[in-house]
Amino acid sequence: DVKVTQSSRYLVKRTGEKVFLECVQDMDHENMFWYRQDPGLGLRLIYFSYDVKMKEKGDIPEGYSVSREKKERFSLILESASTNQTSMYLCASSSVRGARETQYFGPGTRLLVL
Amino acid sequence: DQQVKQNSPSLSVQEGRISILNCDYTNSMFDYFLWYKKYPAEGPTFLISISSIKDKNEDGRFTVFLNKSAKHLSLHIVPSQPGDSAVYFCAASPTGSARQLTFGSGTQLTVLP
Repeated sequence: DVKVTQSSRYLVKRTGEKVFLECVQDMDHENMFWYRQDPGLGLRLIYFSYDVKMKEKGDIPEGYSVSREKKERFSLILESASTNQTSMYLCASSSVRGARETQYFGPGTRLLVL
Repeated sequence: DQQVKQNSPSLSVQEGRISILNCDYTNSMFDYFLWYKKYPAEGPTFLISISSIKDKNEDGRFTVFLNKSAKHLSLHIVPSQPGDSAVYFCAASPTGSARQLTFGSGTQLTVLP
């Protein structure tokens, strides 16, 4: 069964803290993605990775970085958390095998930055 | 500028009736479209997709229609059930795959018993 897990469901951090969000998938997928979801804005792509050690900026990468040291794990890092990074963060993965694939999402991490 | 737009933030429908959710896009390079459903405190789950070579795709109670000339797609749910109450996102890709998705802002569907 397809599974994408995220390390925390809820996080509360203070402004200026470094925040790590972890995502693990067990489907041997090549592609992994980080989105944030905000009311009225839908899902916006922060970063994505098509392979180990590889990363690409999405639509809103400012204030974020990522790490992909292993195929199954994709980490999102907030270098210095700010209140405007309060959001729902969603990780997803997909495979290059089969052209008409979909992205599989984790349950999300709701981050509150005070 | 939003390339994928869902202009209705919310929709209420009576149980048993048809739900129609709409989505418009501006990028003519999009050739693969998907619908996702999202319940509160859960990640989005894939519902149905359609390639630009088709104008209709059906899966049980769910049908997606694509009008390329109008750059418009719609999701029909017949009959609607209370368990269908969720936020529905449409997404589009220019790569023919799920590698590069642009999402709409979502429509909250409420199915009234």
